Amino acid sequence: DIQMTQSPSSLSASVGDRVTITCRASQSISTYLNWYQQKPGKAPNLLIDAASTLQSGVPSRFSGSGSGTDFTLTISSLQPEDFATYYCQQSYTNTVTFGQGTKVEIK
Amino acid sequence: EVQLLESGGGLAQPGGSLRLSCAASGFTFSTYAMNWVRQAPGKGLEWVSGISGSGGSIYYADSVKGRFTISRDNSKNTLYLQMNSLRAEDTALYFCAKDHGSVVPTTFDPWGRGTLVTVSS
Repeated sequence: DIQMTQSPSSLSASVGDRVTITCRASQSISTYLNWYQQKPGKAPNLLIDAASTLQSGVPSRFSGSGSGTDFTLTISSLQPEDFATYYCQQSYTNTVTFGQGTKVEIK
Repeated sequence: EVQLLESGGGLAQPGGSLRLSCAASGFTFSTYAMNWVRQAPGKGLEWVSGISGSGGSIYYADSVKGRFTISRDNSKNTLYLQMNSLRAEDTALYFCAKDHGSVVPTTFDPWGRGTLVTVSS
């Protein structure tokens, strides 16, 4: 299986900060990379697919980039509703895998 | 509006069985692949299994292969997960998720609210 490693595992940030989360694949996955946001007690919500395609209704402060093995999720100006856990997920293989998650907390 | 409603979770003994269901509405069910994803308490997401829209292609994570069986009834717009030989490490919230594609697991959107499975004696 392809291993997905996110960093950091958690971070503390303030409202208005620029936040970057990285996701590294154990082998090249082209742009078969999705990002999800999960708030406590809720189901995950798709933010970005194909590494950089923002889903309808997702604020433009979210952006994704990367290809091959290295990917980033950026929140340009952190808002109170963005405090959550973020997961990357590869769909290069039929047995998809998730990163371990990055928890974004309030500083 | 797409809606996914899981049911069938509960308490099972180690070695026991449970059958989860996911009732879908708001889209042409047979067109899309469907998936089960689980989340152990306080832990991250783990994809469990996926099935194509026709039901002809099925995929499992190694951790459940040989113990779990995914299926679907397109006439009832319902996805199932038969879970046998349950272990303590299968304890988790189980989500069903609609796929963007029709055959292989790709992108999960949206997700149901989940059903809790607890394996304990």
